[in-house]
Amino acid sequence: DTGVSQDPRHKITKRGQNVTFRCDPISEHNRLYWYRQTLGQGPEFLTYFQNEAQLEKSRLLSDRFSAERPKGSFSTLEIQRTEQGDSAMYLCASLRDPPGANYGYTFGSGTRLTVV
Amino acid sequence: TQLLEQSPQFLSIQEGENLTVYCNSSSVFSSLQWYRQEPGEGPVLLVTVVTGGEVKKLKRLTFQFGDARKDSSLHITAAQPGDTGLYLCAGQLMTTDSWGKLQFGAGTQVVVTP
Repeated sequence: DTGVSQDPRHKITKRGQNVTFRCDPISEHNRLYWYRQTLGQGPEFLTYFQNEAQLEKSRLLSDRFSAERPKGSFSTLEIQRTEQGDSAMYLCASLRDPPGANYGYTFGSGTRLTVV
Repeated sequence: TQLLEQSPQFLSIQEGENLTVYCNSSSVFSSLQWYRQEPGEGPVLLVTVVTGGEVKKLKRLTFQFGDARKDSSLHITAAQPGDTGLYLCAGQLMTTDSWGKLQFGAGTQVVVTP
């Protein structure tokens, strides 16, 4: 169990540029979630995958955001035409289905995005 | 508006003191989880409670789920500097389409000084 890996850890980009983040979940976990966390707040749900199928998207996920999980393995989150309001920590989490007795997310370390 | 309200927002105590963090909602949850997060890192799961009235202990940490499944508390006995961190509660709503999606509180920042 190597945990959930996210890449990059930090990203600084100019407003208007596109960025892409990658998440590698725990291999036997078929559920994958993306959350966004801003300073002083708890994580907010963005989207969810069951294997390769994207089953739910939050209204927070505007048309500039797209997420994929090809082949039900790693996932990517792309933000097009970044805005300063997109600056946040983007967290990926995975979960086994069905969950075990003390189930809960395994989070990655996150990608800190700063839009200047 | 967050479904889960955590209090207090910030707590600073001396090593050896006890503390309690609260997590309240008007919504009913099928389960509730507590995480601890350190700066620049993702949250780490501490415990999951699923039964109303349930109490779970993890060394010096005691977690309680309210009878009505709307609230929870985390109590730390004899706090140590290593307990410093942001404590987040997160609940899964009792709706069929929740898909394991969690609602998070804003967190309680705990600082334990030697």
